[in-house]
Amino acid sequence: AQSVTQLDSHVSVSEGTPVLLRCNYSSSYSPSLFWYVQHPNKGLQLLLKYTSAATLVKGINGFEAEFKKSETSFHLTKPSAHMSDAAEYFCVVIPLGGSYIPTFGRGTSLIVHP
Amino acid sequence: DGGITQSPKYLFRKEGQNVTLSCEQNLNHDAMYWYRQDPGQGLRLIYYSQIVNDFQKGDIAEGYSVSREKKESFPLTVTSAQKNPTAFYLCASSIDLSTEAFFGQGTRLTVV
Repeated sequence: AQSVTQLDSHVSVSEGTPVLLRCNYSSSYSPSLFWYVQHPNKGLQLLLKYTSAATLVKGINGFEAEFKKSETSFHLTKPSAHMSDAAEYFCVVIPLGGSYIPTFGRGTSLIVHP
Repeated sequence: DGGITQSPKYLFRKEGQNVTLSCEQNLNHDAMYWYRQDPGQGLRLIYYSQIVNDFQKGDIAEGYSVSREKKESFPLTVTSAQKNPTAFYLCASSIDLSTEAFFGQGTRLTVV
């Protein structure tokens, strides 16, 4: 079985300051890991993915995430927040074995203050 | 343009009526999914399909039905047996079950 825990339901930052959105996972198999972003009343857009290559993954819009197997974490970071980053962010794990069914975290709402 | 199209964007239905949500993709993906999203609960998997003419129940399949007669299409029917159908429904597709999914823009269903 697999699970995803997004450690913060809300994160509030000021524009221009760093962003950290935390994600821990568990998986019975080696995982693929993803971060998605969702703006209000829209679908989800893929930000970045980890698929067992480099542990530091760069994505779109300046986001990156680091896969840490020993800590079972896949935290999302951005050096400088922009107002347009305000959205809901989801961490997702796909176990590369068994059912291969994606499991979503409950989401983190990122609030960016001017 | 390649992508996933969900229609309609907004849907209103009376309690007790069945309603079908459309999902079409032109990405040539084998796998397709339906998710339900409620505030504060993330996405919950309703049904998924690995290939044409095959589909499997997800975590919350009760009160829903699907078909996969064509690779491009994966319609979801919300039946009168679904006790609380008002929600935001998202369709997605992927090359296969192990790869990233691409999402449609969603359908917001309101049952009155």
